[in-house]
Amino acid sequence: AQTVTQSQPEMSVQEAETVTLSCTYDTSESDYYLFWYKQPPSRQMILVIRQEAYKQQNATENRFSVNFQKAAKSFSLKISDSQLGDAAMYFCAYRSQGAQKLVFGQGTRLTINP
Amino acid sequence: EAGVAQSPRYKIIEKRQSVAFWCNPISGHATLYWYQQILGQGPKLLIQFQNNGVVDDSQLPKDRFSAERLKGVDSTLKIQPAKLEDSAVYLCASSLWTASGANVLTFGAGSRLTVL
Repeated sequence: AQTVTQSQPEMSVQEAETVTLSCTYDTSESDYYLFWYKQPPSRQMILVIRQEAYKQQNATENRFSVNFQKAAKSFSLKISDSQLGDAAMYFCAYRSQGAQKLVFGQGTRLTINP
Repeated sequence: EAGVAQSPRYKIIEKRQSVAFWCNPISGHATLYWYQQILGQGPKLLIQFQNNGVVDDSQLPKDRFSAERLKGVDSTLKIQPAKLEDSAVYLCASSLWTASGANVLTFGAGSRLTVL
């Protein structure tokens, strides 16, 4: 079974600075999808960014970008120009090709210091 | 478009009582999921529906948890009898179905259960 590991329970960053959240996963599959979800205190999960494993180019969405290292099974999230609204729990998630369910990591709580 | 609706948002019960949670997915989303999120942990899939059929319920404690999705739209998750360890946020999510699995899940705000 696939597993997702987020080794940083908590991270903090100064407003306007850059922070990187780590994620590693274990799989024997070659085709899959990786996601970062944000969960603010209101508890509604919001998709931040998605990466297809067959794509070598790293995904970007405005201030959010990923560093996808397929051989190392690593999928980190970089948040540039951090804003107070970025404070939340961030979850890394994995989905197999053709499967429908997401497998989540344990989460990283991100604090933004003004 | 309207999001995934869940109710109630909060519920406090005593152990051995029963509770039910309701979810209304985004219109047209064939796939519906119930996840359990214990405090400090990532969500864990309890059950997945494709229309009104069950696709995956391998992690559903079937001796006390049940779920149904009548007519392939709304869904209800029930716990009877509740245990202390059932205290968690129950998240409902829905998605369009694609063969590749590239579709994105949209989550509801969750139902927080406290069992005393």
